[in-house]
Amino acid sequence: EAGVAQSPRYKIIEKRQSVAFWCNPISGHATLYWYQQILGQGPKLLIQFQNNGVVDDSQLPKDRFSAERLKGVDSTLKIQPAKLEDSAVYLCASSSTRDSPRHYGYTFGSGTRLTVV
Amino acid sequence: KQEVTQIPAALSVPEGENLVLNCSFTDSAIYNLQWFRQDPGKGLTSLLLIQSSQREQTSGRLNASLDKSSGRSTLYIAASQPGDSATYLCAVRDNYGQNFVFGPGTRLSVLP
Repeated sequence: EAGVAQSPRYKIIEKRQSVAFWCNPISGHATLYWYQQILGQGPKLLIQFQNNGVVDDSQLPKDRFSAERLKGVDSTLKIQPAKLEDSAVYLCASSSTRDSPRHYGYTFGSGTRLTVV
Repeated sequence: KQEVTQIPAALSVPEGENLVLNCSFTDSAIYNLQWFRQDPGKGLTSLLLIQSSQREQTSGRLNASLDKSSGRSTLYIAASQPGDSATYLCAVRDNYGQNFVFGPGTRLSVLP
């Protein structure tokens, strides 16, 4: 099966600019996650979707970050305006939801490395 | 709130050694645990997924064990190779949450 696709791979922007990331999960995976990984740290959850509905966005900085998942497939994550501390790798993951959703592990994409200067 | 730690933060070993990476979690009421590998500048690759009812999982030279009562998991790598050099992360999904909480990772270097 095809993996989780993410684009772009790299992005450099100036602070206060806006940026968007795209993710296409594994076909049939209803659950999609966006994680932020700062250098030297483990990934931290930003938002979780089940189909096109939000399950958990408690750690999403909603004053500057937004995400959507139209039609329950592709997802975009946007930052506007970006700050220096947003420099990180943004990872998208998907998970199967057959039977018991929590029973399955994650499959990650390659990530987008964002540098804010 | 679940917290996950990994010791050591970094490890350097000569090729051929057997090694153990440790993962600890504060809340033992977990649903499952997943080990990942991350190469520099890349995404995470899944290695092993252990359900709470299991005590271990094996894949090739890798063996992951789970001791819920003590809040620990170990990843055993047999006969290490330079190609095993990467950061290894463990992630825990507890009984209350939908998603995984990650540890900070152990950076492994296997020297030829």
